[in-house]
Amino acid sequence: EVQLVESGGGLVKPGGSLRISCAASGFDFSIYSMNWVRQAPGKGLEWVSSINTASSETFYADSVKGRFTISRDNAKKSLYLQMNSLRSEDTAVYYCARSYMTSLTYNLFHPWGQGTLVTVSS
Amino acid sequence: DIVMTQSPATLSVSPGERATVSCRASQSVSSNLAWYQQKPGQAPRLLIYGASTRATGIPARFSGGGSGTEFTLTISSLQSEDFAVYYCQQYNNWPPWTFGQGTKVEIK
Repeated sequence: EVQLVESGGGLVKPGGSLRISCAASGFDFSIYSMNWVRQAPGKGLEWVSSINTASSETFYADSVKGRFTISRDNAKKSLYLQMNSLRSEDTAVYYCARSYMTSLTYNLFHPWGQGTLVTVSS
Repeated sequence: DIVMTQSPATLSVSPGERATVSCRASQSVSSNLAWYQQKPGQAPRLLIYGASTRATGIPARFSGGGSGTEFTLTISSLQSEDFAVYYCQQYNNWPPWTFGQGTKVEIK
């Protein structure tokens, strides 16, 4: 069974940093691009960042560019999101999502993890 | 960036009735359009991709149509488990990959 399990969320002060993780199982992690999508409380879905299989291509939403860094460890079957200079508007559930196909060319999100809540507040 | 606009924001439907959700793109996305379902407290689930292809395990009562800038998601006969929020997402012009704002399908 394909499974994605996020961890590392929590409460952080504005300006602080946090790294969230996503552990993958049930599929060959190394051949799929991966993504982070977030959802602020009561709001819709917002794509945050994507990374290709070899980590040679990374993409970021303008809202997080320069503050967030996506990375992966294929040997550990893990995806990460390092979040720096956090703002209150970054408060959201952060979902890890596999790309449905192996490349980013046709990047739709399936499956999704259960999400991890990041709260930025003083 | 391509802006995805869904309508209506909320759709009130009786069980067994048909529901149609619309999604409009600010410029053509060809058929590179996906639909997701999200129930309260759960992660989104892929329903449709390529505008009209059902993902694995999705019941036939869900269908998608359209191309270019206008798309629809139709649920032919609503079941109790279908009351949820539905999102469209384009994957034609990227980055960014963009979602519609969501349509809540509620019980009438």
